[in-house]
Amino acid sequence: DIQMTQSPSSLSASVGDRVTITCQASQDISTQLNWFQQKPGKAPKMLIYDASELQRGVPSRFSGIGSGTDFSLTISSLQPEDFGTYYCQQYDNVPLTFGGGTKVEIK
Amino acid sequence: QVQLVESGGGVVQPGRSLRLSCTSSGFIFSNYAMHWVRQAPGKGLEWVAVTSYDGTSKYYAESVKGRFTISRDNSKNTVFLQINSLRGDDTAVYYCARDTSGRIGGRLDLWGQGALVTVSS
Repeated sequence: DIQMTQSPSSLSASVGDRVTITCQASQDISTQLNWFQQKPGKAPKMLIYDASELQRGVPSRFSGIGSGTDFSLTISSLQPEDFGTYYCQQYDNVPLTFGGGTKVEIK
Repeated sequence: QVQLVESGGGVVQPGRSLRLSCTSSGFIFSNYAMHWVRQAPGKGLEWVAVTSYDGTSKYYAESVKGRFTISRDNSKNTVFLQINSLRGDDTAVYYCARDTSGRIGGRLDLWGQGALVTVSS
């Protein structure tokens, strides 16, 4: 199975800050990577697919980059509604696997 | 309205069985592969199973293989997850999710609200 390692596991930042979350795959997955946002008690919401493609309706302050084994999600200017837990997920191979999550809190 | 709605969750004794359903609306269900993903309380996301658009290809996580069965009825726009021999570590919210591909691609662009399964005596 492909292991996905996210960091940090949590962060606290202020409104307007630039925030970056990283995700590392245990083997080359090309650009077969999604990013999700999950708020407490809610289902995950896709933000980014194919490592860098913005899902329709997602604000442009979210961006993704990477290929191979190293990926990152950046929020260019953190907004109050961006709190929650963020997950990366690879789809290069079954079983699909998720990173452990990054909890984002607003200071 | 494009949506997925899960049902069938509840409190179940260890060793018993349960069938979850996920009914779609607002899109052509038979065009899409469908997944189940679960989340134990306070934990991360764990992929469980997938079925192709026509039900001919199915894959499972190793942790559920032999106990879980995914199936679909395209005439009813519904995907199912049959869970047998329930164990405590099956306690979780179970989400169904739509794959953007008809084959098994892995881009999960639409999720249901989740169904809570609690395994307890």
